[in-house]
Amino acid sequence: GQQLNQSPQSMFIQEGEDVSMNCTSSSIFNTWLWYKQDPGEGPVLLIALYKAGELTSNGRLTAQFGITRKDSFLNISASIPSDVGIYFCAGHLTYNQGGKLIFGQGTELSVKP
Amino acid sequence: SAVISQKPSRDICQRGTSLTIQCQVDSQVTMMFWYRQQPGQSLTLIATANQGSEATYESGFVIDKFPISRPNLTFSTLTVSNMSPEDSSIYLCSVGSYEQYFGPGTRLTVT
Repeated sequence: GQQLNQSPQSMFIQEGEDVSMNCTSSSIFNTWLWYKQDPGEGPVLLIALYKAGELTSNGRLTAQFGITRKDSFLNISASIPSDVGIYFCAGHLTYNQGGKLIFGQGTELSVKP
Repeated sequence: SAVISQKPSRDICQRGTSLTIQCQVDSQVTMMFWYRQQPGQSLTLIATANQGSEATYESGFVIDKFPISRPNLTFSTLTVSNMSPEDSSIYLCSVGSYEQYFGPGTRLTVT
């Protein structure tokens, strides 16, 4: 099946540091979404991207839709303890106009105060 | 975004039994989805719940094991049938099309 390769799998950083994670695929994606999942909760949508090259920010979070439409990255600036959680990229393949989301494997972020 | 609730929030079930999970949305939505998240894993789509027609299942998931109902535009159920320990997972419903919003999940443990 279609796969999204998300890296890194986990990160241990100091509070105040910047974080970067990315997703790549061999397939072309129509949309890219970034989610955060806290323990015991469902994923929460952070950022949605719709156009190749699009760069979107949400507070300290910035995400970009890769020019080739096969990748996306998420940056978190000046991390704080509440950034701890699992971050997932997800996307719609070009032939799924909305509907099925393909998810990356997740990046588990730990922030040391 | 819509407010989505799921019941139960968690359950521990015996092997061979069935559990029905409910998903309620506070507004009418066209598309609802059911996902499975196995322990420590990512999310995998089980099926798309269509109002007024049968659900559309993804490869590896079958109606006999995961029957779905969608009686109206605000509600859906997923049943996990004849459960085995391998069915222990978080089951999540979502709504939306390009942007999908998730419920809090149902944590199922099968013993």
